[in-house]
Amino acid sequence: AQSVTQLGSHVSVSEGALVLLRCNYSSSVPPYLFWYVQYPNQGLQLLLKYTSAATLVKGINGFEAEFKKSETSFHLTKPSAHMSDAAEYFCAVSRGYQKVTFGIGTKLQVIP
Amino acid sequence: DSGVTQTPKHLITATGQRVTLRCSPRSGDLSVYWYQQSLDQGLQFLIQYYNGEERAKGNILERFSAQQFPDLHSELNLSSLELGDSALYFCASSVAPSVWDGANVLTFGAGSRLTVL
Repeated sequence: AQSVTQLGSHVSVSEGALVLLRCNYSSSVPPYLFWYVQYPNQGLQLLLKYTSAATLVKGINGFEAEFKKSETSFHLTKPSAHMSDAAEYFCAVSRGYQKVTFGIGTKLQVIP
Repeated sequence: DSGVTQTPKHLITATGQRVTLRCSPRSGDLSVYWYQQSLDQGLQFLIQYYNGEERAKGNILERFSAQQFPDLHSELNLSSLELGDSALYFCASSVAPSVWDGANVLTFGAGSRLTVL
């Protein structure tokens, strides 16, 4: 079975500081990995996806994630946090055309 | 607007009642997924349909059922409601395999918030 673990249910950063949201996956085969973002009172939106084409994946809004097989990690980063980045972020994994399994989510707070 | 339409947006009902949540997938998407989001359980996968057929089942209670119709819209039926069923219910759809690059990207609706009193 595939799963993802998000470390830290709440993360606070200052505006302009580095954002680092952690995700580790468990999969017996090469996975497809995703980061989604959920703004208040909205559904989830895709930030970026990993499909084995490149280990460093760039997404929308300046976010990127690096796939590290040796560490089974897919951490999400952004060099400089903006107030508009305050949201909940979900790491997810799938294998083929099957259900997508989400992590518990990390709420990002950006402090002015 | 993501292209996935969910109705109703909000629903308040009493314990023991039955409700139906409706989802219209994005144009061209054949797969529909239902997720339940609650504060204590996070985002839980309930069930997936592909072109009218059940494809995968997750943590869906026996009191819940779903179906996908020939026009591809889907309904999630929740019966004998309990207080603990209060949650946000999301529908998502994904592209058909003919345009699939191997990564199952989901497009979510805005959700239906169910409150059971």
